[in-house]
Amino acid sequence: DQQVKQNSPSLSVQEGRISILNCDYTNSMFDYFLWYKKYPAEGPTFLISISSIKDKNEDGRFTVFLNKSAKHLSLHIVPSQPGDSAVYFCAAVMDSNYQLIWGAGTKLIIKP
Amino acid sequence: NAGVMQNPRHLVRRRGQEARLRCSPMKGHSHVYWYRQLPEEGLKFMVYLQKENIIDESGMPKERFSAEFPKEGPSILRIQQVVRGDSAAYFCASSPRGRGVKNIQYFGAGTRLSVL
Repeated sequence: DQQVKQNSPSLSVQEGRISILNCDYTNSMFDYFLWYKKYPAEGPTFLISISSIKDKNEDGRFTVFLNKSAKHLSLHIVPSQPGDSAVYFCAAVMDSNYQLIWGAGTKLIIKP
Repeated sequence: NAGVMQNPRHLVRRRGQEARLRCSPMKGHSHVYWYRQLPEEGLKFMVYLQKENIIDESGMPKERFSAEFPKEGPSILRIQQVVRGDSAAYFCASSPRGRGVKNIQYFGAGTRLSVL
């Protein structure tokens, strides 16, 4: 039973363009959503998060959008840079809990 | 990776041997989490510990796996009598508190266990 789904295993984007990574969830009780970025042979690194009471959070080139009615969130990276090539994980958590529920990840490839 | 230290980075064991994975959390963090990642999959929660206490081990296999976080020293994930299916990347994370929406977990670089 996958509560957090990332349906695109990989995504290829031209350098300078916008990258859009998607994530769907099934549990309406989630209070907080996080995006992590992972390079090969390294652990995940926290990137950006959003509370369920908001619909947008922005940090530099990264913006996360949340659509609660559709149970969907997306991460926008603009402009995309070569160093953004990595695997991006979406994760969700309930305020009453500590377990991060993870998606399977999307591998982003930025083409020069 | 924000100061969470895991060692060894790579561990090779033969079937039936024991594997010991170590994790030192970030300074000031008393909450430690262990995750396992199989190829092509996301991270799967294994166990959550505070100093000297196991809070939740619902993600741990019932046999052969154990974890501890002693008062002094690193957290240890121990796998006895390893089998090939235990081959995976094991990640440790730490956080300053255990619950709440601001409870961001910071990860170590992981230990890659290979069972021959």
